[in-house]
Amino acid sequence: EAGVTQSPTHLIKTRGQQATLRCSPISGHTSVYWYQQALGLGLQFLLWYDEGEERNRGNFPPRFSGRQFPNYSSELNVNALELEDSALYLCASSGEGAPYNEQFFGPGTRLTVL
Amino acid sequence: DAKTTQPTSMDCAEGRAANLPCNHSTISGNEYVYWYRQIHSQGPQYIIHGLKNNETNEMASLIITEDRKSSTLILPHATLRDTAVYYCIVRVATGTASKLTFGTGTRLQVTL
Repeated sequence: EAGVTQSPTHLIKTRGQQATLRCSPISGHTSVYWYQQALGLGLQFLLWYDEGEERNRGNFPPRFSGRQFPNYSSELNVNALELEDSALYLCASSGEGAPYNEQFFGPGTRLTVL
Repeated sequence: DAKTTQPTSMDCAEGRAANLPCNHSTISGNEYVYWYRQIHSQGPQYIIHGLKNNETNEMASLIITEDRKSSTLILPHATLRDTAVYYCIVRVATGTASKLTFGTGTRLQVTL
């Protein structure tokens, strides 16, 4: 069974640009979660999408946004990039086959803002 | 979600059992204990979870005290590949509070 996939693996942007990160959940999972892991700050919850809708949001500014598509894949958009947005962005999925809401993580996208 | 307390780091010799403790004294009756681990620069990996009974799977065992205020993750025969940061998370299993709140975790170093 294929796991959670994320693209790109690495992304380099400059301040002020926009970044788009993509995530494909495990087949059958309808929930997608986004987390940020910045150096020295640990894993921070960003967004949760389920059945195409945003269900919960972490303490991040509105320039962090996303969406979930009908096939349950998801995009995370970060506008007006700042240097401190440099981090590993992790996507996780959950749903059918994970009745206790275990979340299964992808390998992450490492975003570097110069 | 209830707060958890874990030691910052632990060492374990390869082949020995690694016992990772977690305190969660404010856990609610409907909250589960989940364990994840993160090997350097990879996505976290789900290990095991439990409510009040001890649990075992192919990766580990989870021992939860009777009052549910603490638990221990046991890796029965640690290998070098078990070197990782281990996170203990307490949360409800369903509903809107489905996010994972990661603490600082325990950095387990398995040595020869």
